[in-house]
Amino acid sequence: AQTVTQSQPEMSVQEAETVTLSCTYDTSESDYYLFWYKQPPSRQMILVIRQEAYKQQNATENRFSVNFQKAAKSFSLKISDSQLGDAAMYFCAYRSPTSGTYKYIFGTGTRLKVLA
Amino acid sequence: DTGVSQDPRHKITKRGQNVTFRCDPISEHNRLYWYRQTLGQGPEFLTYFQNEAQLEKSRLLSDRFSAERPKGSFSTLEIQRTEQGDSAMYLCASSLRDPPYEQYFGPGTRLTVT
Repeated sequence: AQTVTQSQPEMSVQEAETVTLSCTYDTSESDYYLFWYKQPPSRQMILVIRQEAYKQQNATENRFSVNFQKAAKSFSLKISDSQLGDAAMYFCAYRSPTSGTYKYIFGTGTRLKVLA
Repeated sequence: DTGVSQDPRHKITKRGQNVTFRCDPISEHNRLYWYRQTLGQGPEFLTYFQNEAQLEKSRLLSDRFSAERPKGSFSTLEIQRTEQGDSAMYLCASSLRDPPYEQYFGPGTRLTVT
């Protein structure tokens, strides 16, 4: 069974600085999807970025980018020029491509604090 | 696109009572998911619908839990004879059938069982 591990329960970053959130996963599959979701306090989860495992190029969305290391089964999220609005819980999620298995497997999350 | 909505947002109930939650997915999404999130944890998968068919259920979904999606539109999640351990945030998500399969989440229903 696939598992997702986020080893940093909490991280802090100074406004305008860069922070990296870690995520590792375990799978025997060769093709899959990985996602980072942001969950602001008392608000719904929103997608930050996604990565298809067959793509070698790391995904980038504005200030958010990933470092996808397939062999190491690592999928870290880098937030550049951190803003106060980035403060939230961040969840890493894995999705199998196997037909019929559409659920996400989430990590336990990392709480990001942004210091003014 | 009005997003995924859930009702109610908060529910307080006494142990042993039945509760029902509703989820309205994004209108063109044919896939719908329910997750449960407890404090300090990531969401855990409960069940999945494609249109009106319930295609997958987690072992977390005990006999006291039942979910429906009549006519492939909104979905309901019912918990019978609630227990204190059922206290959690219940999240609904929906997605299209095609890649990249990203799921859009609702705001959740927070259940407190006293």
